[in-house]
This record gives sequence, C-alpha cells and structure tokens, in this order.
Amino acid sequence: QKEVEQNSGPLSVPEGAIASLNCTYSDRGSQSFFWYRQYSGKSPELIMFIYSNGDKEDGRFTAQLNKASQYVSLLIRDSQPSDSATYLCAVNIGTGGFKTIFGAGTRLFVKA
Amino acid sequence: ETGVTQTPRHLVMGMTNKKSLKCEQHLGHNAMYWYKQSAKKPLELMFVYNFKEQTENNSVPSRFSPECPNSSHLFLHLHTLQPEDSALYLCASSSGPQGDYEQYFGPGTRLTVT
Repeated sequence: QKEVEQNSGPLSVPEGAIASLNCTYSDRGSQSFFWYRQYSGKSPELIMFIYSNGDKEDGRFTAQLNKASQYVSLLIRDSQPSDSATYLCAVNIGTGGFKTIFGAGTRLFVKA
Repeated sequence: ETGVTQTPRHLVMGMTNKKSLKCEQHLGHNAMYWYKQSAKKPLELMFVYNFKEQTENNSVPSRFSPECPNSSHLFLHLHTLQPEDSALYLCASSSGPQGDYEQYFGPGTRLTVT
C-alpha cells in the first residue's frame, strides 16, 4: 500500500513566523512531489512542485526534498492569516500509471 | 480560474436517480482525473484517462461510470448511488507522458445523495 503521511494538525503559528509542514512517503520509486493548498469548501490549488533533491524557492514558499529519507517539506515564510488553509502533500509514484497519492493534509492556522 | 471547469457545482439526487457530472479542461493537457473527497479523508483517485484511454480504475463501484470522449472532456455518470457516496467530486488534468506533472483541479461538484 503506497502511503503519504502528514501530521493532521492544526499547526498554529503567529503572523510573520515561519510555518513548517512535513510529509513522508513510502514508495522509493516516487519521482514527483507536489504541495497543494485547499481552503475550506474549495478545490486544491497547486503551490509548488519539486522533482530533485534539495530546495526549491518560489516567493514566500520553499519546498525541500530528501529522497533518501523519503521526506518532503514546505516552508512558508512571513506567514499571513490568508495562508490559513489545509496543505496537501501529493506524490506521483512513478510507475508511469498516472497515479498520484495525496496525504490527508495538515491544517495551518496563522494567528493575526 | 485554473482552466478546468466542472458542472454542476452542486447536485442533490435520490438513490434511484441517474445524473452526470461534466468536466472540461482548456489547458491542452492529455490526462484527466476524477477524485472523490469525503470529509476528513484524503483525496481518493477514482479514474484516470490519458488521451481518452482509461489508464486507472481504482476499484470504483460500477454505479460510477466514467466517459472520456476526447482529451478535453470527462464525464462521470452516476446511478443508484448510496448515501455514503455524498462527497466533493473533483476533476483534474495534467500534461506529461507519464502523468508525473502537476495536476490542476476544477472547482468540484458537491454531491448529496438522499
């Protein structure tokens, strides 16, 4: 059973702080990794994708990938109340079968 | 707007009804997906189509019947559903030869089965 694990939270951080969201995955053959943001009642919105080990930065967001540890994380710098949402980690298991597994999500709450 | 549209946005149906969900993508992608999202559960992949050929059926009950007439359109035909099928149904699309590129989601259809 291919799995993607996330801490369900809620993760509460003060405005302006760094929020750190973590995800582990079970399939060593996984090739592509994604972070989505989902507001309550809305559909998931792509924030970041990362394919190679290391860090990838886009504005206030940094994705970090460590394939040896089967670990991917998302850092949100200068957190804003508008960042309050559920963050979904998704992993494409790389079989060529178009199968992406989603974690259950971490709820983030940014306090003003 | 992500370039993926879904209709209807809300649907209430009885267990004996037949209805269809529609998804259209304007992104030129080759792959389209149906997901189910129930409260407090992860997104569940239901079906995947690549260039209108089904590549994935994740053990979905036969009361859900997908149809993909071309790479831009995807339907989910519903019949004799159960109350536990009430959920948010999401359509997504992606490009790439192996489905390993990012997916873009439509707004979803909120389905209630009475």
